[in-house]
This record gives sequence, C-alpha cells and structure tokens, in this order.
Amino acid sequence: NAGVMQNPRHLVRRRGQEARLRCSPMKGHSHVYWYRQLPEEGLKFMVYLQKENIIDESGMPKERFSAEFPKEGPSILRIQQVVRGDSAAYFCASSPLDSWAGELFFGEGSRLTVL
Amino acid sequence: EDKVVQSPLSLVVHEGDTVTLNCSYEVTNFRSLLWYKQEKKAPTFLFMLTSSGIEKKSGRLSSILDKKELFSILNITATQTGDSAIYLCAGGGATNKLIFGTGTLLAVQP
Repeated sequence: NAGVMQNPRHLVRRRGQEARLRCSPMKGHSHVYWYRQLPEEGLKFMVYLQKENIIDESGMPKERFSAEFPKEGPSILRIQQVVRGDSAAYFCASSPLDSWAGELFFGEGSRLTVL
Repeated sequence: EDKVVQSPLSLVVHEGDTVTLNCSYEVTNFRSLLWYKQEKKAPTFLFMLTSSGIEKKSGRLSSILDKKELFSILNITATQTGDSAIYLCAGGGATNKLIFGTGTLLAVQP
C-alpha cells in the first residue's frame, strides 16, 4: 500500500513564475491536508480538502495560493507569481477520517526554492 | 490563538541516555495530542493521546498526556543514534487542522 506521494520532490522557480505541487493520498484516503514548513519553524496548516471540496482554507494566504482536489487525479497546490518568501517545504498529508479522529500520514514533501 | 510549545528546542545526548521532551498546548476544543518523528523526510507518526494519565508505549518510546495541565511528555530510554531527529508535537481541536509546535531537535552521539 503506497504511502502519500508528492511530486516534484524539489522545484526551483524564479520570482514571478508559477509553482504546482502535486499530492496523491494513500489508497482509501479521501481527506488531504497541505502544510508548509519554513526553516526553523514548525508545520503550518494551509488547507484541508476532500474530493472536489475545500473544507478549510483558513491557513492559505489570501492571494496567489490555491488548492484543489479533483474527482480524479491528485490534489494540486498552486502558487502563482512566486516570491522568495514562498521558499519552503510543502507537505501533504492524508487521512481516511477527519484528523482529530486519527493520525495524519505525511508525504516526503516538496521543497520549493525561489530564486 | 491556538498554540503548541515544545521544549527544549534542541538536545544533545549520548547513546544510552534517557531523554524527556516536553509539549504544552492551548487548543480550542482540544481532542487529541499527537507526536511525530521527522528525519530528513516525511514526519512519521508515533503516538496519539486523547485521555489523561494513560501512558502509551512503543518499544523504548513512551508518552503521556495531562489534560489538566495541558501538557504532554515524550520519553525515550536507552537512546540510539537512530533516534536523532526532530520530534514534533501537534494538538488537534474541533477543526480538522493540527497545530504543530516548532519541534525538538534531538542529536544522539555515539
């Protein structure tokens, strides 16, 4: 049973470009969460999605960031017009239930570097 | 605002030592406290605690929750170099997001 798969593992973008990060949850999991980890900081919640629905996006920056989890295919975290401050590790996690009912299973992260 | 605070920020010990990592939390409508181990990859789940005073144990690792004092500890006995990692504590509340602390960086020297 494959774990949470994220790609790309590393992404380099120049300021102003777009970054797309993909996440395939564990088989049988219908809940996806995106977290951002800045150097020397903990994981910060960004968004919680179920298939075709954004449930909680309270941690998403108001501009340039968007997320989706379509009926078919992986969840996508999209960052438009990237800036240096977007450089971070972006972790995806999945669960079969709401997170408070069980643990989250994390992917290995996508490390975005903005030049 | 919900927050989770871990201490110490970092710790260096020698193999065979016992360590205690601390986590205090303020989480609205608290439901659970989770511990994760993060090496240079995905955080891996260690424990989930929902009830006060009941120790959870897995090999050399154990953890306990005090819901009155809003506190949890993670103990590692007979440490090994493979225990070197960042240990993350997270609180889960009524919403579906986990609030993470900044972690404790543990280095176990041979």
